[in-house]
Amino acid sequence: SQQGEEDPQALSIQEGENATMNCSYKTSINNLQWYRQNSGRGLVHLILIRSNEREKHSGRLRVTLDTSKKSSSLLITASRAADTASYFCAPDQTGANNLFFGTGTRLTVIP
Amino acid sequence: DAGVIQSPRHEVTEMGQEVTLRCKPISGHNSLFWYRQTMMRGLELLIYFNNNVPIDDSGMPEDRFSAKMPNASFSTLKIQPSEPRDSAVYFCASRPGTGSHEQFFGPGTRLTVL
Repeated sequence: SQQGEEDPQALSIQEGENATMNCSYKTSINNLQWYRQNSGRGLVHLILIRSNEREKHSGRLRVTLDTSKKSSSLLITASRAADTASYFCAPDQTGANNLFFGTGTRLTVIP
Repeated sequence: DAGVIQSPRHEVTEMGQEVTLRCKPISGHNSLFWYRQTMMRGLELLIYFNNNVPIDDSGMPEDRFSAKMPNASFSTLKIQPSEPRDSAVYFCASRPGTGSHEQFFGPGTRLTVL
């Protein structure tokens, strides 16, 4: 499969806790992107990490990439109720011109 | 910029009817993507265009599905005839160009085929 596969499928945490979501893929990539989808809305781009990068930060987001294991993780620190959403990873496969989304991780942050 | 615009936002139709979904990408974006999202299958890429030309339509499920992009500011996805299993949320996304990787999604069209 060319798509990213997120794990876990669902995650429920208390506000203020950290949330970690994982992604595995099977092909060589140019970069890997993470998107968020609020209920009833379209996906919104969060962060992109290139294949030669190992870690990237953006505000409360921290993304890691291990190309040898073909895996990535998204960490949201100090979670808020507003972070409740589905999160998708999308590997940008080498040679392809599009993204392949998985089924996402459904994150619920309890106030 | 208003972002990617899709219409209608909701569509309810009966089996056998023709359905046309519309998308206006962000001005200046060169690539356009059509996706379908269901609980069972997640987000599936149906087709994408570069500079108005269809590049990969391998995700189009059947001949009942067709997509066009007559100009840089408009695309349609048509289902004829529609079936209940086509019920899903259909998203359109656009991307600035080959040097940029981020996709910008529209709000989606929720299609229900009775």
